[in-house]
Amino acid sequence: AQSVTQPDIHITVSEGASLELRCNYSYGATPYLFWYVQSPGQGLQLLLKYFSGDTLVQGIKGFEAEFKRSQSSFNLRKPSVHWSDAAEYFCAVGNILTGGGNKLTFGTGTQLKVEL
Amino acid sequence: GAGVSQSPRYKVAKRGQDVALRCDPISGHVSLFWYQQALGQGPEFLTYFQNEAQLDKSGLPSDRFFAERPEGSVSTLKIQRTQQEDSAVYLCASSLGQGGETQYFGPGTRLLVL
Repeated sequence: AQSVTQPDIHITVSEGASLELRCNYSYGATPYLFWYVQSPGQGLQLLLKYFSGDTLVQGIKGFEAEFKRSQSSFNLRKPSVHWSDAAEYFCAVGNILTGGGNKLTFGTGTQLKVEL
Repeated sequence: GAGVSQSPRYKVAKRGQDVALRCDPISGHVSLFWYQQALGQGPEFLTYFQNEAQLDKSGLPSDRFFAERPEGSVSTLKIQRTQQEDSAVYLCASSLGQGGETQYFGPGTRLLVL
């Protein structure tokens, strides 16, 4: 069965600093990979996704992620963090179900705090 | 346009009560998913609908949990005889089609069982 590990429970960065959130996955085939962000009281919002092709994926809000098959990783990066980026970030791997639905398996999340 | 909506946003139930949680997906979305998010954890898959057909319910934790989508639009997640361990945020998501299409999540229903 697939699984996702986010080794950092909490991360604190200063506004304007660069950010990297780690994600490692376990999946037998070529994975569908996702990063979602969750703000308090809000639903999960998709930042970016990887299915195939270019291993460097660009997303919304200036985020990017790089798929590294050899390391089973899909780390999220942002060159300069804004205070509004403070939120919880979830990495997920997708598994296509019978009937075509995409079952997402999430990591436990990384809580990002931004210091002004 | 309108996103996925869920109601109620908050629900407090006494242990043993039945509850019903509603999800209104984005209009025209074929696929609908329910997830359960315990405190401090990531969401966990409960069940999946394609139109009105429930194609996967492997994540439902017990037979006290039941979901339906009778007309292929609105879905209801019902929990019978609630237990304290059912306390969690229940998230609904919908996607336009199948495969790797983006899932759009609602704000969730926070259930507290006392």
